Amino acid sequence: ETGVTQSPTHLIKTRGQQVTLRCSSQSGHNTVSWYQQALGQGPQFIFQYYREEENGRGNFPPRFSGLQFPNYSSELNVNALELDDSALYLCASSLEANTGELFFGEGSRLTVL
Amino acid sequence: TQLLEQSPQFLSIQEGENLTVYCNSSSVFSSLQWYRQEPGEGPVLLVTVVTGGEVKKLKRLTFQFGDARKDSSLHITAAQPGDTGLYLCAGEGETSGSRLTFGEGTQLTVNP
Repeated sequence: ETGVTQSPTHLIKTRGQQVTLRCSSQSGHNTVSWYQQALGQGPQFIFQYYREEENGRGNFPPRFSGLQFPNYSSELNVNALELDDSALYLCASSLEANTGELFFGEGSRLTVL
Repeated sequence: TQLLEQSPQFLSIQEGENLTVYCNSSSVFSSLQWYRQEPGEGPVLLVTVVTGGEVKKLKRLTFQFGDARKDSSLHITAAQPGDTGLYLCAGEGETSGSRLTFGEGTQLTVNP
């Protein structure tokens, strides 16, 4: 059974650029959630995808968007990057949308200069 | 908006000491989870508590869910350097499914 994998692990962008982060969910899991974790903070919910549809969104602007593919892998896209977008972006998969148990990947560390 | 407050934010203790971390909210949660996160890694689930008043033990770690399901505590007995990490509590709202609300975390350092 493979766990949740994320890529890239680290990346550096400049203000105004766009970034795409990728996540492969754990085998058998159809739900992927994305969280943003700023330095010294707990993770903040961005959105969740369940069977290729957005299934809930946190308090993040529309320039944060996502996709889920038929194999349940997912992408997080952020447009017009701002300095405050610098954070660890965590992907978590779960067996179903209403199952609270999340399995996290190691995260993608984004630095915006 | 559901909020979870953790205390203390930072804790530095000597090996062998006991400690308690608290997680409080004014909201009711259907379940509460505790995670441990190490630098450069994602959070790893330690335990889920579901029933008000529930107590769960994981070796030297004891987790308790408040009777009203608004708060929780994590107690570590005889802490070891390997316990060092960021401890996060996360609540599952009664209607939010697996969209968790996280506390800000407690950074624990256990010195040899």
